[in-house]
Amino acid sequence: AQKITQTQPGMFVQEKEAVTLDCTYDTSDQSYGLFWYKQPSSGEMIFLIYQGSYDEQNATEGRYSLNFQKARKSANLVISASQLGDSAMYFCAMREQGNTPLVFGKGTRLSVIA
Amino acid sequence: EPEVTQTPSHQVTQMGQEVILRCVPISNHLYFYWYRQILGQKVEFLVSFYNNEISEKSEIFDDQFSVERPDGSNFTLKIRSTKLEDSAMYFCASKEAALYNSPLHFGNGTRLTVT
Repeated sequence: AQKITQTQPGMFVQEKEAVTLDCTYDTSDQSYGLFWYKQPSSGEMIFLIYQGSYDEQNATEGRYSLNFQKARKSANLVISASQLGDSAMYFCAMREQGNTPLVFGKGTRLSVIA
Repeated sequence: EPEVTQTPSHQVTQMGQEVILRCVPISNHLYFYWYRQILGQKVEFLVSFYNNEISEKSEIFDDQFSVERPDGSNFTLKIRSTKLEDSAMYFCASKEAALYNSPLHFGNGTRLTVT
């Protein structure tokens, strides 16, 4: 079974609009962490935001926020005021209990339109 | 800001040849990883390394793969006899601590092309 599911292979958003990238996860652990990474066309992996399973508040980092719904096992990334430079692949990832490796979803390609 | 450095950025090799991919993790990090990404696909875990030994490896990391930390700064991935299906982007990553919220810091990757 997939640990991380990203159901949107591609998304388009108008510049300056907000966009939500979906991520659902599967784990039986009580303690886990959720991460989002951005991969521009140049190929590097850039860490964006983290949400812990015990965090009561949704994580925010600048224009990025995480809509964490624990009961639904979803951790959607919200990008506000989209910019052309936000065009990239976005990967959701999870670390389960202990020091296990990050497991990634298949990614969502976001295209920001002027 | 400190970063993970990978060399070379692109490596072309013939099938059956050995390749060594090199990485310099962030200096105060303790946990090291190799991931790979076949073109257009998701990022897959290969191996993790801590305290000079492999702590976990995936099914992909078979006998043709090995990792080494030959000195205090470098972390290498060796593929003994490359196959066409080894063509991928290989990412080295490191993290500082064994905490849930400790993110992986990735290098810019080495694109390996096996012909």
